[in-house]
Amino acid sequence: GAVVSQHPSRVICKSGTSVKIECRSLDFQATTMFWYRQFPKQSLMLMATSNEGSKATYEQGVEKDKFLINHASLTLSTLTVTSAHPEDSSFYICSASGRTGFSYEQYFGPGTRLTVT
Amino acid sequence: QKEVEQDPGPLSVPEGAIVSLNCTYSNSAFQYFMWYRQYSRKGPELLMYTYSSGNKEDGRFTAQVDKSSKYISLFIRDSQPSDSATYLCAMRDTGGFKTIFGAGTRLFVKA
Repeated sequence: GAVVSQHPSRVICKSGTSVKIECRSLDFQATTMFWYRQFPKQSLMLMATSNEGSKATYEQGVEKDKFLINHASLTLSTLTVTSAHPEDSSFYICSASGRTGFSYEQYFGPGTRLTVT
Repeated sequence: QKEVEQDPGPLSVPEGAIVSLNCTYSNSAFQYFMWYRQYSRKGPELLMYTYSSGNKEDGRFTAQVDKSSKYISLFIRDSQPSDSATYLCAMRDTGGFKTIFGAGTRLFVKA
């Protein structure tokens, strides 16, 4: 299957600082990227959907000014958590969908564990 | 009512057992059905992909879709300890970008 990478895999930051997470599709062009959040022992919660070159579409209840998403190219999307607080600590996972043999599948990155102290 | 219902488990079976994982859904427009496997602290990995009703087999894994009952299943034959993970069902309607995930079932296969 297609490969999606995420960086960093783990980050610890202080409350009030901003953190950027990168998501890259390594062997295909991702026209659409998704950002999820996952709490322990819970399923994926979709935060936003972004199409290359367009503004992201945020799910209800997700603050777009706090979770900034940029999808500037067909292989890279970034999520910036601004003014992070301890309640933002979570596992963030991106996924990408695009011009592969199976255009309706989503391929997931390995996730980024964010801890805000 | 959630669009997709999945028993979170945990489900514990002995090595070699046949495992049955299931999801029900309410949206009759769903046409694409997927099963993902997620190991602890990792991103989900696509296991099986089925369009509309029917069965699909891949090695020890079989996916079944019964659209009349709005019920999908994943069977794992000759289960191995390495199959221990969380299994998420997921589905999407035709033309939709949004994939709806089940809560995930935690599976433990004991050696």
